[in-house]
Amino acid sequence: QLQLQESGPGLVKPSESLSLTCTASGGSISSSSYYWAWIRQPPGQGLEWVASIHQSGATYYKPSLKSRVTISVDTSKNQFSLKLSSVTAADTAVYYCARLPRVVGSFDNWGRGTLVTVSS
Amino acid sequence: QSVLTQPPSVSAAPGQKVTISCSGSSSNIENNYVSWYQQLPGTAPKLLISENNKRPSGIPDRFSGSKSGTSATLGITGLQTGDEADYYCGTWDSSLSAWVFGGGTKLTVL
Repeated sequence: QLQLQESGPGLVKPSESLSLTCTASGGSISSSSYYWAWIRQPPGQGLEWVASIHQSGATYYKPSLKSRVTISVDTSKNQFSLKLSSVTAADTAVYYCARLPRVVGSFDNWGRGTLVTVSS
Repeated sequence: QSVLTQPPSVSAAPGQKVTISCSGSSSNIENNYVSWYQQLPGTAPKLLISENNKRPSGIPDRFSGSKSGTSATLGITGLQTGDEADYYCGTWDSSLSAWVFGGGTKLTVL
């Protein structure tokens, strides 16, 4: 059974970069059947898709975040990562990593999430 | 504001049925699969319905999904207090080239 686990700093200063990693266990990031995604949820608010990546290297970004976001995959470590630059308080959120089957098109497996607070 | 529109809250008594609507457009719901997610308090979202109306393994048949045109609906029958949660619809938006979610609906089982 696939398990996803987010990791990274819980506190980031404004204008700096946020870096998170999602480690998969019980399944392979290298599978061509899936995309891998980051989704965030500001405190008390709804879900917001941030970015997705396929092991082939194909990437998709939320248009309004595209200039600040980079998603990458490291198949040797069975991990994928998110980097968000020039953060502000508006980027404070719980960040979830998730699996997205190519055909079905729904996020079928989620990590527990990690809270990132942007504050000086 | 969310691309997909959901009612902020719904409520019903235990044992009753409730429906949650999700309204979109031709660039998202009408031409792409809709999925539904349940988020219990303090936990990560969980997939309830995929491909408009398919339940993943382990999801009770009390949960159902449907789609018509630019709208989708989640139905829950035999409500239980454990169903109290936030529910989100989601789909791909072909115009935005982005995955989009509804704003979420808080279900209260009175």
